[in-house]
Amino acid sequence: DAGITQSPRHKVTETGTPVTLRCHQTENHRYMYWYRQDPGHGLRLIHYSYGVKDTDKGEVSDGYSVSRSKTEDFLLTLESATSSQTSVYFCAISESPTPGGQGAHEQYFGPGTRLTVT
Amino acid sequence: GQSLEQPSEVTAVEGAIVQINCTYQTSGFYGLSWYQQHDGGAPTFLSYNGLDGLEETGRFSSFLSRSDSYGYLLLQELQMKDSASYFCAVRDGIYNFNKFYFGSGTKLNVKP
Repeated sequence: DAGITQSPRHKVTETGTPVTLRCHQTENHRYMYWYRQDPGHGLRLIHYSYGVKDTDKGEVSDGYSVSRSKTEDFLLTLESATSSQTSVYFCAISESPTPGGQGAHEQYFGPGTRLTVT
Repeated sequence: GQSLEQPSEVTAVEGAIVQINCTYQTSGFYGLSWYQQHDGGAPTFLSYNGLDGLEETGRFSSFLSRSDSYGYLLLQELQMKDSASYFCAVRDGIYNFNKFYFGSGTKLNVKP
């Protein structure tokens, strides 16, 4: 299994408070992703990173920010949590996407963080 | 925008064969992948199709027709442990090679 961990695994917070979720990998993969998963919506991309300090928005980035100061860590921050951000958050990693090789198309997912905003 | 359509739920009996379809409409395309997710777990990669045709990995096969924007996952000799959700995913191939878009998932129920 790919070495990817997320912390915390569970969190309950109040509306309006800041929250930071951490993703840590030991695979030295270039690409890291944050997704949220909600019933009926599958996995939706929030932000992703293609290198240290290089990030880009996904399809549901409003209300979220990210940072990547080291290859192994990718942080997701909810500046002011809202109830609509109650979800399960997954981090994923993948190797550099070259045209050849199946490995470039695989994403390895962390165990997830269940966040509840009350 | 990007959209991937798959059935929300499928039920089959142990030992049978089941096919889960995925149709997609994306601005770019660089391959169709399939992931399995058990309740409470993380998605795990199953297969990838970059070119048209069938890819086989043990009891699982995946098919792609790029001209039809369509693919499917075929599960043979179903086992109880195959009860899970299955997601198709497309990699965006035009504006950003690094983004993945997922379908909403198909919940497979395998009955004895």
